[in-house]
Amino acid sequence: QVQLLQSGAEVKKPGASVKVSCKASGYTFTDYNLHWVRQAPGRGLEWMDSINPHSGVSGSAQKFQGRVTLTRDTSTNTVFMELTSLTSDDTAVYFCARMSGRSTTAGLDVWGQGTTVTVSS
Amino acid sequence: SYELTQPPSVSVSPGQTVTITCSGHELGDRFASWYQQKAGQSPVLVIYRDYMRPSGIPERFSGSNSENTATLTISGTQAMDEADYYCQTWDNFHVFFGGGTKLTVL
Repeated sequence: QVQLLQSGAEVKKPGASVKVSCKASGYTFTDYNLHWVRQAPGRGLEWMDSINPHSGVSGSAQKFQGRVTLTRDTSTNTVFMELTSLTSDDTAVYFCARMSGRSTTAGLDVWGQGTTVTVSS
Repeated sequence: SYELTQPPSVSVSPGQTVTITCSGHELGDRFASWYQQKAGQSPVLVIYRDYMRPSGIPERFSGSNSENTATLTISGTQAMDEADYYCQTWDNFHVFFGGGTKLTVL
């Protein structure tokens, strides 16, 4: 079945970086864009960035520009999200999600299980 | 940037119909999706392209989008529908979410 499997929880100190992986299975990896969405404790969903696994081209929200980098490995069907210069405000659950189509008629139809990132001194 | 506004909370009695609204400037000219998120779980897509239901989503979930408001309607609400609901749209292939609505089934 179609699945996105994320890496495990991380605890980081302020100023550090974190890299979270999202491994896709059950579909053609390069056919669907992957997005990253985070959710701080008790808060709503916040979109961060997306990547076209075929081209490797990504495009982030203005808030995260310069601090988030998405890369992919087509040999393992995995997308990586790296977030730098962490602060306590980055403490959140981070989700990867598949975009169900190529146009804006699509939704995010498959989600990973989430990765908890805790930033604490 | 693009802002979507949802009511923070809505309540409904079991078996009744409930609507959750999502407001944004000329939202009807864009496509809207809706997500259900139960406590401690990942979001689930329940409506996309304004009114389309993914496979496996019950028929009691429906959507519409016109002018400045997208609406999620749940008919014959069940206890299992208690969750947070988020609307979402696109702007230059960037994603924007509403703040979320907590649905309580009393």
